[in-house]
Amino acid sequence: AQSVSQHNHHVILSEAASLELGCNYSYGGTVNLFWYVQYPGQHLQLLLKYFSGDPLVKGIKGFEAEFIKSKFSFNLRKPSVQWSDTAEYFCAVRAGANNLFFGTGTRLTVIP
Amino acid sequence: DAGVIQSPRHEVTEMGQEVTLRCKPISGHDYLFWYRQTMMRGLELLIYFNNNVPIDDSGMPEDRFSAKMPNASFSTLKIQPSEPRDSAVYFCASNRGGADNEQFFGPGTRLTVL
Repeated sequence: AQSVSQHNHHVILSEAASLELGCNYSYGGTVNLFWYVQYPGQHLQLLLKYFSGDPLVKGIKGFEAEFIKSKFSFNLRKPSVQWSDTAEYFCAVRAGANNLFFGTGTRLTVIP
Repeated sequence: DAGVIQSPRHEVTEMGQEVTLRCKPISGHDYLFWYRQTMMRGLELLIYFNNNVPIDDSGMPEDRFSAKMPNASFSTLKIQPSEPRDSAVYFCASNRGGADNEQFFGPGTRLTVL
């Protein structure tokens, strides 16, 4: 069965620090990969996605993610976080069927 | 487009009562998903529909939960009878089938069962 692992449950950073959130999945075939963000009290919104092509994907608000097929990873990065990035971040994988498998989420707290 | 619409946004009910959550997907989207989010379990897929037909309901926790999609623009998730452990935020999401099928989420319904 497919599964998605997010290693960090809660990350606390100061503003301007660099961010990297880990995401690993277990599926050997073709996958589509997503990062969603959930700001406090709001619904999930798509941050970025990878379907094919360049494995380095750029999303909104300065976020990017790199698909490394050999490592089954799709880590999220941002060179300099802001207080407004405080949110919960979810990695998701679609493999074969249409439904997404979500990781358990990583809560990011950015201290001003 | 108004996006995925869910109602009510908040629901407080007593144990044993029936609860009905409603969702209107984005027009033209032929997939609809119901998720539940809790602190303990994170985001769980409960059931999803394609062209109004339930495809996978393996995530539905027990028989107290049921979901219907009578037409392309409306779905319900019903809990009968409700229990305190059902307290969670329930999200509906929809997407268009095909390669570029980003899921769009609704604002969620926060359910509290006392």
